[in-house]
Amino acid sequence: DTEVTQTPKHLVMGMTNKKSLKCEQHMGHRAMYWYKQKAKKPPELMFVYSYEKLSINESVPSRFSPECPNSSLLNLHLHALQPEDSALYLCASSPDRDDAYEQYFGPGTRLTVT
Amino acid sequence: GENVEQHPSTLSVQEGDSAVIKCTYSDSASNYFPWYKQELGKGPQLIIDIRSNVGEKKDQRIAVTLNKTAKHFSLHITETQPEDSAVYFCAADTGGFKTIFGAGTRLFVKA
Repeated sequence: DTEVTQTPKHLVMGMTNKKSLKCEQHMGHRAMYWYKQKAKKPPELMFVYSYEKLSINESVPSRFSPECPNSSLLNLHLHALQPEDSALYLCASSPDRDDAYEQYFGPGTRLTVT
Repeated sequence: GENVEQHPSTLSVQEGDSAVIKCTYSDSASNYFPWYKQELGKGPQLIIDIRSNVGEKKDQRIAVTLNKTAKHFSLHITETQPEDSAVYFCAADTGGFKTIFGAGTRLFVKA
């Protein structure tokens, strides 16, 4: 199973709402990532978890809050977002960093902030 | 930090022709170079990768070459098919979990 799943597929939220994005993988990978992708642009790294600990935060605003409850799950909690936060949010995972660097991406959550 | 440049931004070929996409990177410490294909409405899919101790790698109709001295790497797709139409991203990785992506190439394969 080389699949990363993400829910929901689409999300529309107002600027005062609180919502969460979910990501799951069952490949035994120990690193998980959140990326943001705007239209016609490459993915931009937001957060990296390694062995369930936050390793990288690319200076992301605090209205985005990541959480890694266990090695298979990754959440992104959203609060008080701005319209410019509308984008495709991608989750990815990769094996133990000492062994390989391949990242496997999920299908993404298309987020619209109104 | 690392910077990856990718060319061309758009590429249109006839079905059956070859397609070549080129990337350059700036950080000589980069040691892993993946290529991703992203179809409309989907996440990027890893299609091939190469490590810095290898000069060329092939997988059926897809090949990647790496010139470490010149800091160039390229994706070659032979016998293109309409289902190859997508956006392709090159990337460079120095380790430490950060992958730097190129801007992407939109490939159109005309039947």
